[in-house]
Amino acid sequence: EVQLVESGGGLGQPGGSLRLSCAASGFTFSSHWMHWVRQAPGKGLAWVSRINSDENIITYADSVKGRFTISRDNAKNTLYLQMDSLRAEDTAVYYCVRGPRYSFDYWGLGTLVTVSS
Amino acid sequence: DIQMTQSPSSLSASVGDRVTITCWASQRIGTYVSWYQQRPGKAPKSLIYDASSLQSGVPSRFSGSGSGTDFTLTISSLQAEDFATYYCQQSHSSPLTFGGGTKVEIK
Repeated sequence: EVQLVESGGGLGQPGGSLRLSCAASGFTFSSHWMHWVRQAPGKGLAWVSRINSDENIITYADSVKGRFTISRDNAKNTLYLQMDSLRAEDTAVYYCVRGPRYSFDYWGLGTLVTVSS
Repeated sequence: DIQMTQSPSSLSASVGDRVTITCWASQRIGTYVSWYQQRPGKAPKSLIYDASSLQSGVPSRFSGSGSGTDFTLTISSLQAEDFATYYCQQSHSSPLTFGGGTKVEIK
């Protein structure tokens, strides 16, 4: 059974940093694209970033480019999202999602990030 | 960026009704559309990819169609567990974009 478990959410300060992790199991992690998708409170879904299996293709939404960094450790079956220069508008539930390249098949339960002073 | 527009934004229906949700893309995208279901307080679930292919385990009452710029998600006979918000997403190119969602409520 595919499982994606996010962690690392919580309260972050404006201008501060948080690092999200996603532990994957039940499939060959190193063979799949992975994504982060977020959902602000009461709002719709918004794609954040994606990374291919070899880490040589990485793309970001314009809203987080230059502030967020996606990475993965295939030996640990773990996906990461380093979030720097946090803004209030980054407040959202962040979902770890398995790809293919341009869409999503399995979703984690999400982790809530709140940016507030 | 490719914009995805869904209609309606909400609808009320009864168990057993046939429900249709429409999604339009701002440019032609072949059949590169996926559909997702999100029940209240839950993570999204993948329903359909490539416009009409059902994800494993998705009931056959769900179907998708369309190509180019116009796409449709149909629920042939609405069940109690189908009351949720549905999102389309273009899988043609980055940045990946979603429609605004359609909330299906109980009449």
